[in-house]
Amino acid sequence: EAQVTQNPRYLITVTGKKLTVTCSQNMNHEYMSWYRQDPGLGLRQIYYSMNVEVTDKGDVPEGYKVSRKEKRNFPLILESPSPNQTSLYFCASSAGLALFFGPGTRLTVL
Amino acid sequence: SQKIEQNSEALNIQEGKTATLTCNYTNYSPAYLQWYRQDPGRGPVFLLLIRENEKEKRKERLKVTFDTTLKQSLFHITASQSADSATYLCALGSGGKLIFGTGTRLQVFP
Repeated sequence: EAQVTQNPRYLITVTGKKLTVTCSQNMNHEYMSWYRQDPGLGLRQIYYSMNVEVTDKGDVPEGYKVSRKEKRNFPLILESPSPNQTSLYFCASSAGLALFFGPGTRLTVL
Repeated sequence: SQKIEQNSEALNIQEGKTATLTCNYTNYSPAYLQWYRQDPGRGPVFLLLIRENEKEKRKERLKVTFDTTLKQSLFHITASQSADSATYLCALGSGGKLIFGTGTRLQVFP
């Protein structure tokens, strides 16, 4: 089944404790992207990647890192999480313009 | 700065009627516009894409229009069903960036 998977789905952590949210797609898509979704603010793009080893900042990249060493994986790294990064995170991939989204990761930073 | 406006008030409509959702934008010249559906707790699902040089697109009961002069898109669902109840997001794209509106919640009642 064609899909985008994210892990973990739920995470509660404390300020400053480094974490990684994994994202994997099995559709051989070149494009991948991370979004966060907050009430009243909608989906905001964090980072995107047009292909392996090619990444670029979205609208809200501060406090996040990404890497794209393999086509199928696009992990999101929070080196030192802060409470304002509490949010619902979505990974997405695309072969053209339509995005396929993962199920989301709900992150709470205490 | 770029701004996308969708009606934040929920749209309530009776089954069988046509639902019309609006997406307005400013300070942006997108190459294309997309509409997504999002159910509670799930990732958005792609519905339709329309490019800047297209006026209208249809897919089954869905129709989207795109007026680059008015900077507006209208999204229509004809013969609404209760299963159409969801939040609908519009997104404007150019290059690798896709910017989302905050969405409009549609409630279809019997």
